[in-house]
Amino acid sequence: KAGVTQTPRYLIKTRGQQVTLSCSPISGHRSVSWYQQTPGQGLQFLFEYFSETQRNKGNFPGRFSGRQFSNSRSEMNVSTLELGDSALYLCASSIDSGRPYGYTFGSGTRLTVV
Amino acid sequence: QKEVEQDPGPLSVPEGAIVSLNCTYSNSAFQYFMWYRQYSRKGPELLMYTYSSGNKEDGRFTAQVDKSSKYISLFIRDSQPSDSATYLCAMSAGTGNQFYFGTGTSLTVIP
Repeated sequence: KAGVTQTPRYLIKTRGQQVTLSCSPISGHRSVSWYQQTPGQGLQFLFEYFSETQRNKGNFPGRFSGRQFSNSRSEMNVSTLELGDSALYLCASSIDSGRPYGYTFGSGTRLTVV
Repeated sequence: QKEVEQDPGPLSVPEGAIVSLNCTYSNSAFQYFMWYRQYSRKGPELLMYTYSSGNKEDGRFTAQVDKSSKYISLFIRDSQPSDSATYLCAMSAGTGNQFYFGTGTSLTVIP
């Protein structure tokens, strides 16, 4: 079966712009989580959506937002981009939240802010 | 203090060596303990998970959890060049709770 699909794979944006990243979870999965991965900080949790509701949120500024649609696809948006937002953004889907089995990551979107 | 601490390495070993990767944590509520492997330009993939304390073995991989010491380990026996990747530990307090990841240990297995 198809895995977690993230688009686009690579993105270059200018400081001050905004960006929207997309994640299509595995069919049947209702939970989608977003992470930011940087060399210094590792994977940092952004937020989790379950059945269109935000269930958990990490410690990121309000410039980072997300949503989930009725088909479980999710988008995350970053407004007023800063150089420090350059990172690999990973999406993970699972049937339910907090269960380690069936928690599957996509290959990520590499965002570069110049 | 970070929830999860992991030595970033890098770790370089000869093929066939036994590799030991470790993480420590501070939150005693963690119940699920996981190890992920991440190849370059890929997302992490789940290698193993354990619930609560104890050992779990899967082929060449063994995961150990010592909740009294708040310490988890992943052992790789007979390491292969294909094991070269970054290994991330992750933990969760349970269903409905978020995962906390270590920063990852970069491993290179030299043929």
